[in-house]
Amino acid sequence: DAKTTQPPSMDCAEGRAANLPCNHSTISGNEYVYWYRQIHSQGPQYIIHGLKNNETNEMASLIITEDRKSSTLILPHATLRDTAVYYCIVRVVNNNAGNMLTFGGGTRLMVKP
Amino acid sequence: DTGVSQDPRHKITKRGQNVTFRCDPISEHNRLYWYRQTLGQGPEFLTYFQNEAQLEKSRLLSDRFSAERPKGSFSTLEIQRTEQGDSAMYLCASSLAPPLGANVLTFGAGSRLTVL
Repeated sequence: DAKTTQPPSMDCAEGRAANLPCNHSTISGNEYVYWYRQIHSQGPQYIIHGLKNNETNEMASLIITEDRKSSTLILPHATLRDTAVYYCIVRVVNNNAGNMLTFGGGTRLMVKP
Repeated sequence: DTGVSQDPRHKITKRGQNVTFRCDPISEHNRLYWYRQTLGQGPEFLTYFQNEAQLEKSRLLSDRFSAERPKGSFSTLEIQRTEQGDSAMYLCASSLAPPLGANVLTFGAGSRLTVL
């Protein structure tokens, strides 16, 4: 799986958009970008994933650059409850492979009032 | 469905004792995973099952660790002769098999183990 690089921490003002970057310059053509988050004392929570097109769901938007070497997770209106560690993971989809997601250090997002 | 349930949520034990954790996945999910997370680190993969078959084990899963999923539903993770280094959060997750559920895991809240 391709390695990802994320800033260790970020701050965001409540109500503003939180833009979390992720670099994955060695991504291969069949690897997807996944985002999870982990709120304190809870298990990780799936947010969104994409291959090359931008994706949006009720939680967030995922913007993937045209060369696919980086992506940005956007929380459009951050709330205090979005304070968490956000993990960017790159992974293939393969019927014969287990979904052994590899979590790095992630970005600790602090949403401040 | 109430999601992935783990029991107990907290376990304190003395070094050398055996402990067992239970995970009840989402009922229609045929894949079940165990991860371990130590303070300040991301979760680390331990093992996974597809139905009742244990398909992969990490090198982190020493001989003192054993996981089962006897009927393809709930799973147990047992640690024998616990050591202080086993202190961690043990996370269970479940998913549908690819392509439907590829890499979209639902995690439980975890079982925190403290070995004294």
